[in-house]
This record gives sequence, structure tokens and C-alpha cells, in this order.
Amino acid sequence: DVKVTQSSRYLVKRTGEKVFLECVQDMDHENMFWYRQDPGLGLRLIYFSYDVKMKEKGDIPEGYSVSREKKERFSLILESASTNQTSMYLCASSFPGVSYNSPLHFGNGTRLTVT
Amino acid sequence: AQSVSQHNHHVILSEAASLELGCNYSYGGTVNLFWYVQYPGQHLQLLLKYFSGDPLVKGIKGFEAEFIKSKFSFNLRKPSVQWSDTAEYFCAAGYKNRDDKIIFGKGTRLHILP
Repeated sequence: DVKVTQSSRYLVKRTGEKVFLECVQDMDHENMFWYRQDPGLGLRLIYFSYDVKMKEKGDIPEGYSVSREKKERFSLILESASTNQTSMYLCASSFPGVSYNSPLHFGNGTRLTVT
Repeated sequence: AQSVSQHNHHVILSEAASLELGCNYSYGGTVNLFWYVQYPGQHLQLLLKYFSGDPLVKGIKGFEAEFIKSKFSFNLRKPSVQWSDTAEYFCAAGYKNRDDKIIFGKGTRLHILP
């Protein structure tokens, strides 16, 4: 069974801090994604990656960056956290190849609060 | 831009009632369709998917969805819901010409009364 593990379930950070959210998957998936989930807004794609050291902007990349140094690990970075980044962050991975053809496997999410 | 619309934000039903959750997707060429479910406190998981072939797709836990191309719809159905179906349901579409990204609807929160 695919396992996508997000390092923290809950995080509380102060405005202006640099925040790292970590995600690891154990199924050798090439595709990895970061979404944020907000009530009434569904899931919005922040960044995605189809290979090591490769990254592509999603629909809402502003204020975020990512790092993929190893195939199994995809990190989301908030360069300077702001209160409007308070949200649930979801990491997902999928089988190699064309991602629109591949169902996503999600982690449990990290609920980030920025005060 | 491609989009996915879910008609109902919040649905309340009694046990044994029939369920239909609406989902419409915008035109954008070749598209694959998904329904995901998020039970309270759990991660999002795939309920069912449609790639091609029979437009009536069966998923886990007695759910099914019908792809109607002429209506750009992919509605989720279940003949008789249970209290354990209380969850949030997301419709999603993967467009081949949209850099292969999957777009999610805003979700429908389903609450089943025992």
C-alpha cells in the first residue's frame, strides 16, 4: 500500500518565519504535488514535480518554493510565513508518466497556523 | 481555463436515503475524472475514476458515477447511504493539455443522520 508521510500533523509558526513542510513517499513515484486545502475553496495546487530537481508552478505558487533533491522527498518552503498561509497542506504522489492519467495518493496533511 | 464545479457545498441526508452529488467539468479536450473522499480525520482517498469505456463507473463502498459527455457531468451516486458515509467528497478532472495537472472542485460536505 502506498504511503505518503508528512512530517508534522500540526505546526504553529510566527509571521515572518521560514517554514519547511516535508513529505516522503515510499512507492518510487516520480510525480509529487503540494496542495493547500481551505474550507469552501477545495484543493488548490501550489507546486508539483515530475522528477528529481524538477519543479513546476501550480495555480497559487506565490509565497512558496519547493525542493526535490531525492525522488522520495518533496519539501514545501514558506520563505516568510504570513497569516494568509494558515491552511491545511496536503502532499500527494502518483505513478510515473502522465499525471492526468494517474490517481493521486495523499498524505494526512499538515495543519499550519501562522500567528 | 478549465474548472470543476460541485453543485452542493453541504448535504444532509438520513440513513438509507439515496445520494446524488453533482459535478460538472469544463471542456478542455481529453479529460479523466475522479471522485475522492475524505473521512473525518483521515487522508483523501480515491473513490472511483473514469478514464474511458463504460460511462457507468463503480467504486468502493457501493458508490458509482456516471460520465455524461454531452452534459460535461460526472455525478456521484449511492442508492442507500450509511452513517459511515459522512465525509467530504471532491470531484476532480485531469486534463491532458493542462500540463497534466489535476483540478479539484470545492468539495461537498455530506452529513448522514443516524
